[in-house]
Formats: sequence, structure tokens, C-alpha cells
Amino acid sequence: GESVGLHLPTLSVQEGDNSIINCAYSNSASDYFIWYKQESGKGPQFIIDIRSNMDKRQGQRVTVLLNKTVKHLSLQIAATQPGDSAVYFCAETPNTGFQKLVFGTGTRLLVSP
Amino acid sequence: DAGVIQSPRHEVTEMGQEVTLRCKPISGHNSLFWYRQTMMRGLELLIYFNNNVPIDDSGMPEDRFSAKMPNASFSTLKIQPSEPRDSAVYFCASNGGGREQYFGPGTRLTVT
Repeated sequence: GESVGLHLPTLSVQEGDNSIINCAYSNSASDYFIWYKQESGKGPQFIIDIRSNMDKRQGQRVTVLLNKTVKHLSLQIAATQPGDSAVYFCAETPNTGFQKLVFGTGTRLLVSP
Repeated sequence: DAGVIQSPRHEVTEMGQEVTLRCKPISGHNSLFWYRQTMMRGLELLIYFNNNVPIDDSGMPEDRFSAKMPNASFSTLKIQPSEPRDSAVYFCASNGGGREQYFGPGTRLTVT
């Protein structure tokens, strides 16, 4: 069945460090993988996505890496800032319509000044 | 744009009572999603609509849960009767055909 999980529940870093958040997935048929950020008291917010035919995609200060061989997804945040403190979720969808997202359990990122 | 609007933001009710959560998607978006978030189960998709039509309700936990979308700008999620295990944050999200689902601020439901 479909399932998405995370290795680390909490990641603590110093401001300015690079952060790496990991995610394991199990559905080989997933077509897109997406990272969401959820700040306290708010709904999840889209960060970046990657299609299954890619292995790397870069955004502003963020990079997503996809390793289909081991079914692993990671989000790298460069020069982490206190405003990056949040819970980060990976999600997958088996089709290109972005309709049915399956979310992982989340990793809390704590950034100390 | 005001984003996805949900009401109420907080709801406290007693077991057995009916609860109605409301959502206004972003104008022009044709897909609407209801999610439930708990510490134990994380973020789960309950149901989603395309063009006001329910497409997949396989995530709706029980018959006590029902959702409607009478028009493109309004949806409700109803729980009747409510139970303490329904306590969670319920999110509504909408999508306009692009790659992002835009989430509302959520409704925190507490059933005592």
C-alpha cells in the first residue's frame, strides 16, 4: 500500500548551518514528490516538488534530491534561518493531477540563533 | 487573494453533537480537499472534489462523516454524531490545476 515516512522526528540546527531533512517512501508508482512546510498554527505551505524522472531540483535556498533506487527523498535548506523553524512534510502522488497526496509523518526543524 | 478561508477556527463541542466545518476555496480553483491532522495519524486526506463533484471519499473514516460542495465557492464537512476521537485539526485545501494545493488555516476541533 501507499505509505510515506520520515527518519528523524526533530532536527536541531544553528542559524547559518545547512539542514537536511529525509523521507522514505514506499510507492514506486508515485509520479511527483512534494515538500510542504507547516508553521505553528498554520496550514501546510508548498515549498518545492520534483517529478519522478528527475533526481535533483533546486529552488531558492532549497534543494530536493530523489533517489528512486532506495526510495529516498531529501530536502536541503541552505543557510538555515530562524524563520525556517517549522514541521516539514514530504508527500507523494501517484499521478500528475496532484490530487491525492499522501503525506509523511513530518520532521520538526528547530533553528537556534 | 484572501486564500482558503475556514470557519470556525476553533470548535469545542460535546460528544454526540453535530459539528459542521466550513470552507471557502480560492476563487477560480476547481479542486477542493478536506484533510484531518492528528499527532497519531499525521495528515490524512478525507475527501476531495473536482468541479463540485466528490471524486474520492475513501479517506472518510465512517458514516458519521459527510462532505458537500453545493457550489464552487463553498464546502462543508459534517460530523454527526461527534466523538472524542474526532478531535483533530481539519484542513481544507484548494487547487487550481497547478502543482500546489493551497491550505487554509485549519479548524481545531475538540470533542469532550
